[in-house]
Amino acid sequence: QSALTQPPSASGSPGQSVTISCTGTSSDVGGYTYVSWYQQHPGKAPKLMIYEVTKRPSGVPDRFSGSKSGNTASLTVSGLQAEDEADYYCSSYGGSNLYVFGTGTKVTVL
Amino acid sequence: QVQLQESGPGLVKPSQTLSLTCTVSGGPISSGGHYWSWIRQHPGKGLEWIGYIYDRGSTYYNPSLKSRITISLDTSKNQFSLKLSSMTVADTAVYYCARGDPTGGWIDPWGQGTLVTVSS
Repeated sequence: QSALTQPPSASGSPGQSVTISCTGTSSDVGGYTYVSWYQQHPGKAPKLMIYEVTKRPSGVPDRFSGSKSGNTASLTVSGLQAEDEADYYCSSYGGSNLYVFGTGTKVTVL
Repeated sequence: QVQLQESGPGLVKPSQTLSLTCTVSGGPISSGGHYWSWIRQHPGKGLEWIGYIYDRGSTYYNPSLKSRITISLDTSKNQFSLKLSSMTVADTAVYYCARGDPTGGWIDPWGQGTLVTVSS
């Protein structure tokens, strides 16, 4: 099962928005609503930011939002803040009780 | 609040078997319908799902690692474990344990991770 494709990097100035894509196939992203997003700061464990494509866990700012169209899921961070600078990974169920992660995107706040 | 903590050797020799344990606190590992995962991250690289075990004992492994993996559950100690055999330098990574939700496919919370280095 191949990793989901994410852009290596994305950037924006404080207050701006940045959108990260996560492209898979009809066998994973396109076939299920089980897409989640994780934020990882250097040297730290990943943190769940979005689950089931659009849902936010308690405590995650509403600046973070998720969506999906066809085989591509997206994470948008609105009103960028310095603490949003991190690596972001998507994940999807891939059928047959298997899961796959995205390649990861480094978000830089300019 | 559920918390997870990995433990095990930080250094393993090539060809040896890695044994890691994840201790779960804040709730019983055997209830709630969750699954218990192992995920790794090679230095400077992305996340790789290794496999998981349901609280009833069913296991599911990454096909690329399947022949070398065993994940097991010890409900009496509220722990689950990973064994990865025939270790090579390519298995050097930070290993995370985490809880997963089968209804939504999300993973939360995660342990802090433990660095395992394969070297002679």
